[in-house]
Amino acid sequence: SQKIEQNSEALNIQEGKTATLTCNYTNYSPAYLQWYRQDPGRGPVFLLLIRENEKEKRKERLKVTFDTTLKQSLFHITASQPADSATYLCALRYSGAGSYQLTFGKGTKLSVIP
Amino acid sequence: DAGITQSPRHKVTETGTPVTLRCHQTENHRYMYWYRQDPGHGLRLIHYSYGVKDTDKGEVSDGYSVSRSKTEDFLLTLESATSSQTSVYFCATGDRETQYFGPGTRLLVL
Repeated sequence: SQKIEQNSEALNIQEGKTATLTCNYTNYSPAYLQWYRQDPGRGPVFLLLIRENEKEKRKERLKVTFDTTLKQSLFHITASQPADSATYLCALRYSGAGSYQLTFGKGTKLSVIP
Repeated sequence: DAGITQSPRHKVTETGTPVTLRCHQTENHRYMYWYRQDPGHGLRLIHYSYGVKDTDKGEVSDGYSVSRSKTEDFLLTLESATSSQTSVYFCATGDRETQYFGPGTRLLVL
């Protein structure tokens, strides 16, 4: 079965630094990978999508890379701010999966320290 | 929350009672999903719908049923609630790629 691992349950980082979160997957290649942000007591919010044939995607201070050889995605937040503190989830849709199902990782809780 | 509401937002019930959670969307999205989120497990798919009256099972469907009689509503029913179904339930809707989540329902089964 497909397995997704977000290597760190929690990550603390100083304000202004770049936060890097990791998502590793096993077995079949995904059609695409997504990153979501979740704040306490709220539902996840979509941030970025990157396809299997894309190496990198950017949106403002966010950057996602996708290495299908390493079976890994990295999620970067540059110039991090306390407001970036949240749990970040990666999710994959595997090629061939019906009805666009996503499989989610357990998340990494990011704390940006002023 | 992309026009997605869930009701109730909080519920306490007793073991063995039936429970229905409702998800309502105003986005006219074709796809709708029910997830549960538990510490140590992350988000797990219970059931999903790819159109009116078209539903299928997800990863953790045992003990749950769903119905979708119109585009905007997706109901999740626990036929006979058990303590293991205590969780936070999220509804999501979406197009073919992106999912938009509702605010969640906290369910406690005593």
